[in-house]
Order: sequence, then structure tokens, then C-alpha cells
Amino acid sequence: EPEVTQTPSHQVTQMGQEVILRCVPISNHLYFYWYRQILGQKVEFLVSFYNNEISEKSEIFDDQFSVERPDGSNFTLKIRSTKLEDSAMYFCASRRGQNNEKLFFGSGTQLSVL
Amino acid sequence: AQTVTQSQPEMSVQEAETVTLSCTYDTSESNYYLFWYKQPPSRQMILVIRQEAYKQQNATENRFSVNFQKAAKSFSLKISDSQLGDTAMYFCAYNLIQGAQKLVFGQGTRLTINP
Repeated sequence: EPEVTQTPSHQVTQMGQEVILRCVPISNHLYFYWYRQILGQKVEFLVSFYNNEISEKSEIFDDQFSVERPDGSNFTLKIRSTKLEDSAMYFCASRRGQNNEKLFFGSGTQLSVL
Repeated sequence: AQTVTQSQPEMSVQEAETVTLSCTYDTSESNYYLFWYKQPPSRQMILVIRQEAYKQQNATENRFSVNFQKAAKSFSLKISDSQLGDTAMYFCAYNLIQGAQKLVFGQGTRLTINP
């Protein structure tokens, strides 16, 4: 089965630093998502991306966050100035289309902000 | 706003037993999908089963089945003949058919299968 690939698997950074989390969605997929899961809590939607623009974002996704699909294969999440509360597992996901197409999740990037 | 509630933080059963995980949700929409995801210790999100709200027939996938009660907004997961590999967090989730189709997750149920 095709896979969504996320790198790195673990990222440690200092508070105030910028981080970029990388994802390679499945090649023929058109809809891309970022979710996050703070340890012990539920998975939360951050942002959805389609046709090179954000289609929906949550309250969590403030001005410190941005997403980009720079080269047609990668899908990145940037946190401009990390805070302690940004420590979480970040999941990338993609689907080919709408209409009940299956959503494929990556294995996640564990971000630790010190 | 749509919400998903899982009222059982933890459950534990013996191997080969049947276990049912509960989920309720709140929505004013009529067209949506419901899902159960499994998250083992590796923390990867694995789709277990999904249900279209417009289908009355309950979805089944091998040992996994759901009891979908649309009027009651209830979506429970039954695992039959449970196996040690079923030990994981289980999340119930919902998404609308229209729009960005973002998933809304419940808080999760930690299921332990004991040998």
C-alpha cells in the first residue's frame, strides 16, 4: 500500500526557533492535511490544503504556522517561533479526492520544544 | 460545531474475548462519515473501519464491526476474538462529506488485551 512519508521522525528545538516539518504525500493525491496530537490528548486538525492554497484551518493554526507545497511533491509545515506548547506529534495526511476517498496518515514527527 | 465523545478512557479484556468501544457524536448535518482509527505504541494512525451515515447497514471488516445508531448519534466498535495485537489507543472520528473533510476526533480509548 502507498505511504505518506514524514521526516524527521523526531525533532528537538529550542523555544523561539523556527522548525520545518516535512511530508511527502502519496503522488497522485490532491488533498493534504496536518494534524497534531499533544501527548495523552486527542488528535486535532490544524490545516487542510488543496490546489496550492489553504482550504480550512483551525484556531490552533495561527500566524506562527504556515504550510507550503514548494515543489509539487513535498508538503511542509513551518512553525516560525516555537513555544513550549507546540510540543506534540505532528501528523501529515493526504487523500486522492473527496467523496469518501481514504485518508492516509504518515507516521508522524515528534516535536519537542525545550 | 461537531464533537465526538468517547466515554471510556481505558478498557481491558482477556485475549479471545469480545469488546465494545463506545462513541457518541454531535452534529446537525445529515451527510457525514464515521471512522475508527487504531493507534498502537508506534503512534501511527491506522484506519480500522468506516461508515457512511447514509448507509443503514453496519460496516464490518473481519473481526471488527460497528453498531451505527444514527438517531441516537452513536457509533460503537465491536472487536471479536480479540488478539494481543489489538492493544492500542482507539479513536472515533467524524467528517462531513462536504468541504475540506477534516476529521474531528474523540478523546480515545486505551484498550489492553491481556494474555
